[in-house]
Amino acid sequence: EDKVVQSPLSLVVHEGDTVTLNCSYEVTNFRSLLWYKQEKKAPTFLFMLTSSGIEKKSGRLSSILDKKELFSILNITATQTGDSAIYLCAFMINTGNQFYFGTGTSLTVIP
Amino acid sequence: DGGITQSPKYLFRKEGQNVTLSCEQNLNHDAMYWYRQDPGQGLRLIYYSQIVNDFQKGDIAEGYSVSREKKESFPLTVTSAQKNPTAFYLCATKGQGAGETQYFGPGTRLLVL
Repeated sequence: EDKVVQSPLSLVVHEGDTVTLNCSYEVTNFRSLLWYKQEKKAPTFLFMLTSSGIEKKSGRLSSILDKKELFSILNITATQTGDSAIYLCAFMINTGNQFYFGTGTSLTVIP
Repeated sequence: DGGITQSPKYLFRKEGQNVTLSCEQNLNHDAMYWYRQDPGQGLRLIYYSQIVNDFQKGDIAEGYSVSREKKESFPLTVTSAQKNPTAFYLCATKGQGAGETQYFGPGTRLLVL
């Protein structure tokens, strides 16, 4: 059965800290892995990763995929209180139209 | 949430009542999805539709029904058979091609009275 496991489930850090969120998966028809940030409402898209070893960056956020070991990490450097959110990992299978989500990591950044 | 609207924002359901959640999009996307989110359980797929007049069950379709009569609209009905409907419901769309990601609506929070 295809599944996505995120860790840790929750995390509390101080402003300025660096955090690493983990996502591992077991998928038979993997196409790509996606990261989303969810504050109080709808998830917003962060990254889509298809190839191993290629880091994607957006400001203080970066992510990389390891297709051999079947995991991805999301790094956030110099965290700010606005980074507090649930971070969701999902994979898209080869049909290109179905997505499977992990349970999310709840990040709280304390001033 | 872009061109995806969901209504209402909050919905209260009485025991034994069917309720319908609206999802409308103006992104011209073919694929539309309904997810349910409970605390600590991430997003679980209820139904999805890849084209008009066609839809498939997701992992937790029991107690729900959908229709896709128009490309822009994908309403979800929570029937009385759904015994634990209290959750946050998210509608999403996806454009053509594997490179397109999903876009989410603002969500509807359903509460049972």
